[in-house]
Amino acid sequence: EAQVTQNPRYLITVTGKKLTVTCSQNMNHEYMSWYRQDPGLGLRQIYYSMNVEVTDKGDVPEGYKVSRKEKRNFPLILESPSPNQTSLYFCASRPIRGIFYEQYFGPGTRLTVT
Amino acid sequence: ELKVEQNPLFLSMQEGKNYTIYCNYSTTSDRLYWYRQDPGKSLESLFVLLSNGAVKQEGRLMASLDTKARLSTLHITAAVHDLSATYFCAVRTNYGGSQGNLIFGKGTKLSVKP
Repeated sequence: EAQVTQNPRYLITVTGKKLTVTCSQNMNHEYMSWYRQDPGLGLRQIYYSMNVEVTDKGDVPEGYKVSRKEKRNFPLILESPSPNQTSLYFCASRPIRGIFYEQYFGPGTRLTVT
Repeated sequence: ELKVEQNPLFLSMQEGKNYTIYCNYSTTSDRLYWYRQDPGKSLESLFVLLSNGAVKQEGRLMASLDTKARLSTLHITAAVHDLSATYFCAVRTNYGGSQGNLIFGKGTKLSVKP
C-alpha cells in the first residue's frame, strides 16, 4: 500500500529535550515536506526537500532541522523544543514529474512541549 | 508572494441545503487543490484543478476554477452530516526556488446539522 508513515503519532516532551519525528514514504517520491498545523492558521510549510541531500526552508523553519540522507526518509529534528512548537505536524511527499503533482500526507504527529 | 484566502472560515449548514466555499489566491498558479480533513485525521485529497474553467464533481461536492479571477469554489449540494469536516484549498507556487510548494488557505470548518 502506498503510504507516508510518521512516528511517533503522539509525543509529550519538556522544553529543551531534543526530539526527532520520523517520516518515511514508499512511493519513491523525490519531493518531501514538513508542515505544521495550528488552529486558525491552516498548514504552514517548515522545510522541504527536492531530493536526497537537497533541503530548503519553508515559511516557518526557525527551531527545526531536517535531513535527507535517503530518498524514502525525511526526519524532522527539534534540537531544543519550546512550548510554541506545540502543534500538529504533517509529513508529505509527491513526485516531481507528472501532471497533478499531488501530495500524499502522513497521519500526523501531535506534539506537546511543556 | 502567494497568498491564499478562504471564506467563510466557519460554516454551519442544515442538511439538505446548498452552499459554496470560496478560495481566492493572489498570484498566477497552474494547480489548485482541495483537501478534506476530519478531526484529528490527516488530509484527504478531493480535487486537483489544472486549467481555467475546470470543473470536477464527486458526489455532493463540485469544485471549479477561474484562473483569470484567481478564484476556486467548492460547492456543496444537499448537504448531509457526513460532509462535516474542515476543507482546505491549496495553491501551487510557480515562482523561484520554492516552485512547486503548496500554500494553504486557513480552512473552512463545515458543520452540517440535521
